[in-house]
Amino acid sequence: SQTIHQWPATLVQPVGSPLSLECTVEGTSNPNLYWYRQAAGRGLQLLFYSVGIGQISSEVPQNLSASRPQDRQFILSSKKLLLSDSGFYLCAARGGPTGTYNEQFFGPGTRLTVL
Amino acid sequence: AQSVTQLDSHVSVSEGTPVLLRCNYSSSYSPSLFWYVQHPNKGLQLLLKYTSAATLVKGINGFEAEFKKSETSFHLTKPSAHMSDAAEYFCVVSDLWGKLQFGAGTQVVVTP
Repeated sequence: SQTIHQWPATLVQPVGSPLSLECTVEGTSNPNLYWYRQAAGRGLQLLFYSVGIGQISSEVPQNLSASRPQDRQFILSSKKLLLSDSGFYLCAARGGPTGTYNEQFFGPGTRLTVL
Repeated sequence: AQSVTQLDSHVSVSEGTPVLLRCNYSSSYSPSLFWYVQHPNKGLQLLLKYTSAATLVKGINGFEAEFKKSETSFHLTKPSAHMSDAAEYFCVVSDLWGKLQFGAGTQVVVTP
């Protein structure tokens, strides 16, 4: 089975500072990778997904960006954080080829507070 | 296009009584459906999934869900709630490319 690692677990950053959240995946090769944000009291919103190295699709326009420098590494970044970037960020991975209904496995999440 | 509606934002049950979490979906093709659970400040854990095999799906921790195409529903049930079942539950529909559409979530409270 797949294991998703995320770090840091918690982060407190001032407005205007940069951000880098990292996600790595074990137990599968060439996974689809996803970044979600969960704001307080709300459901999960898909931010980015990637079907391969260097391939990033953005779901919503925002202050964030994503990169996939290696097959099992997915990074979420920002040059200048906004208060509205606060939330719980989850990385997920899905193995198997497109067209198969495989579930996504989620990492433990990063709690980001922007002050 | 596809969407998911969880009909209850909060459900409160007594320990040992049945749990029912309701979910309706909308999809332009035969969907794949999931239930995930999230304990406070944790990631999401898959409870069960439906992928066009048996319509009654059994998951972990005694949960099961029944896919009813005529009612476009995928309700989650458990015969007897345990204190450890207190968490938030998400009904989710997936497309063929693995993009998930989440419901708004149902918060489950279990009282002694």
